[in-house]
Amino acid sequence: QKEVEQNSGPLSVPEGAIASLNCTYSDRGSQSFFWYRQYSGKSPELIMFIYSNGDKEDGRFTAQLNKASQYVSLLIRDSQPSDSATYLCAVRGSGTYKYIFGTGTRLKVLA
Amino acid sequence: GAGVSQTPSNKVTEKGKYVELRCDPISGHTALYWYRQSLGQGPEFLIYFQGTGAADDSGLPNDRFFAVRPEGSVSTLKIQRTERGDSAVYLCASSLHAGLAGGPSYNEQFFGPGTRLTVL
Repeated sequence: QKEVEQNSGPLSVPEGAIASLNCTYSDRGSQSFFWYRQYSGKSPELIMFIYSNGDKEDGRFTAQLNKASQYVSLLIRDSQPSDSATYLCAVRGSGTYKYIFGTGTRLKVLA
Repeated sequence: GAGVSQTPSNKVTEKGKYVELRCDPISGHTALYWYRQSLGQGPEFLIYFQGTGAADDSGLPNDRFFAVRPEGSVSTLKIQRTERGDSAVYLCASSLHAGLAGGPSYNEQFFGPGTRLTVL
């Protein structure tokens, strides 16, 4: 079992729809969770982080964390073609400075 | 230039050669990370520095890889006797601090543009 798992996709959604990206992790003691966006040929850029169970909203983005289920998700509302990218989930484990990344989910927003 | 910078942007070398990759973090950031990213994969943790010391080097794949940060700012990743399997994009990231008790603003990592290493 990988430490951080994501569906590689591609996930295709029409413009204006909600895109739902999911991530599961194996270290039950993990404390910090991050979503990065990575355009092809570019480096990752942070979209959101979440530390507590529940939802966290920032503009069109909502991160959801369920520590009991070891599950974190990212919702993108009103998806735009410019949102087309690979979305990386990263988890910082308990008692560690390491960030473990998933393989990423490729999102395609169709105009 | 407020962001993380990395040089060179591209490096092509022959199998068996030695290479150095440089990272210049955001000014004032005490934490510095090196990652390696292969095509279709997420970044793979290599090593983490807090100040001048390597706080966690458990991700270095073998003893051909070594990294330094002598003055707590610029870091150099050194790869000896390169192999074709070392070909990847090497990413550097920095954050204000990475203490375990640090809040969100301390933990946010900013990535550099990466160095694409190709070993022929």
